[in-house]
Amino acid sequence: GAGVSQSPSNKVTEKGKDVELRCDPISGHTALYWYRQSLGQGLEFLIYFQGNSAPDKSGLPSDRFSAERTGGSVSTLTIQRTQQEDSAVYLCASSLVWTGNTIYFGEGSWLTVV
Amino acid sequence: SQQGEEDPQALSIQEGENATMNCSYKTSINNLQWYRQNSGRGLVHLILIRSNEREKHSGRLRVTLDTSKKSSSLLITASRAADTASYFCATAPADRGSTLGRLYFGRGTQLTVWP
Repeated sequence: GAGVSQSPSNKVTEKGKDVELRCDPISGHTALYWYRQSLGQGLEFLIYFQGNSAPDKSGLPSDRFSAERTGGSVSTLTIQRTQQEDSAVYLCASSLVWTGNTIYFGEGSWLTVV
Repeated sequence: SQQGEEDPQALSIQEGENATMNCSYKTSINNLQWYRQNSGRGLVHLILIRSNEREKHSGRLRVTLDTSKKSSSLLITASRAADTASYFCATAPADRGSTLGRLYFGRGTQLTVWP
């Protein structure tokens, strides 16, 4: 596609439920990133995929968070047993290579845990 | 922390004035990038400056980089109400360890341009 596509745009879920957030990166981009942004805050790194290399998961805040990237393209971020503090915008981004090139962001998925 | 830190946190100016935002960071970098965000949605890339560059221009934007001081500035000239947004700097560390590939973002500067 022309840009990074994320779904859903908005998600309201009950505390304790699992959620899946999807990211479809720009075609041909080998690097894919997930960030989280709480209201009025900066971006918090979550996870980074680069080609077939093992992902950098060091930013995941707890074992309730996991992500996978199938076929080197689409990625899914899963949050299990959601908590209210998980409420945030989850931003996905992609770039051509890992060498710090420009990364392109999707519009994000607003998650609200009630 | 390796994050860039923007200064000021908030900036309020009149249309036509220039806006200057600063970014400081802590580690050696490959490059530094500035992004803009409207209303808490996706970020839009503005400009990338590499560690061996000192100044870069793009339209009304001017970015400087001083690697000796580990700082960068973003200047928006002749500002417009439409420039109202949050501006973030992001650093790509030169460390070839586990941080390779990651961009570190600061908390951003909220710019408000009054008509």
